[in-house]
Amino acid sequence: KAGVTQTPRYLIKTRGQQVTLSCSPISGHRSVSWYQQTPGQGLQFLFEYFSETQRNKGNFPGRFSGRQFSNSRSEMNVSTLELGDSALYLCASSFPYQETQYFGPGTRLLVL
Amino acid sequence: GIQVEQSPPDLILQEGANSTLRCNFSDSVNNLQWFHQNPWGQLINLFYIPSGTKQNGRLSATTVATERYSLLYISSSQTTDSGVYFCAVGTNAGKSTFGDGTTLTVKP
Repeated sequence: KAGVTQTPRYLIKTRGQQVTLSCSPISGHRSVSWYQQTPGQGLQFLFEYFSETQRNKGNFPGRFSGRQFSNSRSEMNVSTLELGDSALYLCASSFPYQETQYFGPGTRLLVL
Repeated sequence: GIQVEQSPPDLILQEGANSTLRCNFSDSVNNLQWFHQNPWGQLINLFYIPSGTKQNGRLSATTVATERYSLLYISSSQTTDSGVYFCAVGTNAGKSTFGDGTTLTVKP
């Protein structure tokens, strides 16, 4: 089975721009979660989608949003980028009613 | 929210040595995972272990849910074991709280 894939792998943006990141879960997985990793804050939960519905949400401003499509692929969007949004963005997927999360390779975002 | 503390923050070993990493959490949880993050940032699943003991080769883990801690044991460490080890816990499916990690360096 193919693992979790994320695109793009690297991204450079400037302040004020917006960005969309994509995550394709493992086949059959319906839950997709997003995390932000920075040196200062560590790994922090952004949100989780299950069957196209946001099921859990972390403590991030409204500039961070996401969605999930009927094929379980998920996108997250960050609008009006700030320097502090520079981070590794990781997504994870899990099978229904199983708790084990499998992570993708991440997208490294640099905001200049 | 749940607080997760990992210790030690840094660990330096000689190849062949054994080590124990600890994860303390502040509340009851339904899930607990251990991960190894490689130098490229990929989080690799080691164990899903909300309770009990599991072993996989040179690695084993024990979670004592009633006392709110988990231990990851690495035996006969190798240089390829180097990296950051994370404990992640949660009560809701799909939402995990991560500790700050233990950075392990194994010297040849």
